[in-house]
Amino acid sequence: NAGVTQTPKFQVLKTGQSMTLQCAQDMNHEYMSWYRQDPGMGLRLIHYSVGAGITDQGEVPNGYNVSRSTTEDFPLRLLSAAPSQTSVYFCASSPDRGHGYTFGSGTRLTVV
Amino acid sequence: QQQVKQSPQSLIVQKGGISIINCAYENTAFDYFPWYQQFPGKGPALLIAIRPDVSEKKEGRFTISFNKSAKQFSLHIMDSQPGDSATYFCAASPNAGGTSYGKLTFGQGTILTVHP
Repeated sequence: NAGVTQTPKFQVLKTGQSMTLQCAQDMNHEYMSWYRQDPGMGLRLIHYSVGAGITDQGEVPNGYNVSRSTTEDFPLRLLSAAPSQTSVYFCASSPDRGHGYTFGSGTRLTVV
Repeated sequence: QQQVKQSPQSLIVQKGGISIINCAYENTAFDYFPWYQQFPGKGPALLIAIRPDVSEKKEGRFTISFNKSAKQFSLHIMDSQPGDSATYFCAASPNAGGTSYGKLTFGQGTILTVHP
């Protein structure tokens, strides 16, 4: 099925561990973004990309790294997990700015 | 710094009533304003969007009203139904240069409950 696929759906990490949240889209979209969603905070942009090899920081980039080596994939790396990174993470893609983003189903991350 | 401010945080409406959610922005470079709907356990889904060259856009029971001079825009849901109960987010993206045009900023969200 066409869309944005995020894995894993759930993850528990210990403080200090690292991990990569995977995001893949099969719609040949140029734009991809990572958001975190916390109660009362809405969706906050972590990192985004406007094409393969081009990434930029969003509102809350600290503690996260991204790379975009292909159009399809946009992984998010947590370098050293902290409890403050407990959140629901969404990946999204769009063909261009004039079209809305298609969101994945999210990854619920708990850092203990 | 919250660039897009959304209100109210929560809204309760009776079936058949009108739901109104408001957003305000500061950045005059914003020129694309979408609204998203999110059901529990799901990702947000695009509902309707507007550009500032029009003051209103309607799609079915959903209408965006846009006031460029006041830097405000709102979502109206006519004949609200229990199935409309969800969280609604406004958002905005700029026409600035570089990579900024890929940057979508969201409001804090409004939890809408429609009672039968």
